[in-house]
Amino acid sequence: QKEVEQNSGPLSVPEGAIASLNCTYSDRGSQSFFWYRQYSGKSPELIMSIYSNGDKEDGRFTAQLNKASQYVSLLIRDSQPSDSATYLCAVKNNAGKSTFGDGTTLTVKP
Amino acid sequence: EAGVVQSPRYKIIEKKQPVAFWCNPISGHNTLYWYLQNLGQGPELLIRYENEEAVDDSQLPKDRFSAERLKGVDSTLKIQPAELGDSAVYLCASSLDPTREQYFGPGTRLTVT
Repeated sequence: QKEVEQNSGPLSVPEGAIASLNCTYSDRGSQSFFWYRQYSGKSPELIMSIYSNGDKEDGRFTAQLNKASQYVSLLIRDSQPSDSATYLCAVKNNAGKSTFGDGTTLTVKP
Repeated sequence: EAGVVQSPRYKIIEKKQPVAFWCNPISGHNTLYWYLQNLGQGPELLIRYENEEAVDDSQLPKDRFSAERLKGVDSTLKIQPAELGDSAVYLCASSLDPTREQYFGPGTRLTVT
């Protein structure tokens, strides 16, 4: 079992819909949680960071964290074709160890 | 503010040859990471530096890989000798401290023939 699990997808949503991306992690010592977007052939780009339970909103993006359930999610509202990419979930524990999931591929259809 | 700089962007070498990658982190970022990324997978940590100290190198194949971060700023990752299975993208990232978000450089795509 991987330390950080994501559905590989592909996840396909129509333009304007809400895309929901999920991530679970196994290390209960995890303290910091991040979502990255990676376009094909490019390096990961930070979208959101979240450190405490609850929701954090930034524009069309909302990150949700539930430490008791060891679950973090990313919602993308009003999805656009330019949101089509692979979304990586990353987790850091209190020792600074960083672990990435293998990503979920999102396709937004016009 | 300049981002993480990496060079070269692409490298093609024959197996058994040496290769080196260079990374300059964002100014003021004390934590530097080297990752390996294979197609369809997430980045896998090779080594993490806090200033000039390697604090996590448990996943670095030390028989052929080495890294250094002299003066706690830029860093070099070396492979000697390269094997076919080393073909991948090598990513460098930096963060202000170990708990904070990381910012990635553009990566070096290595092809070993």
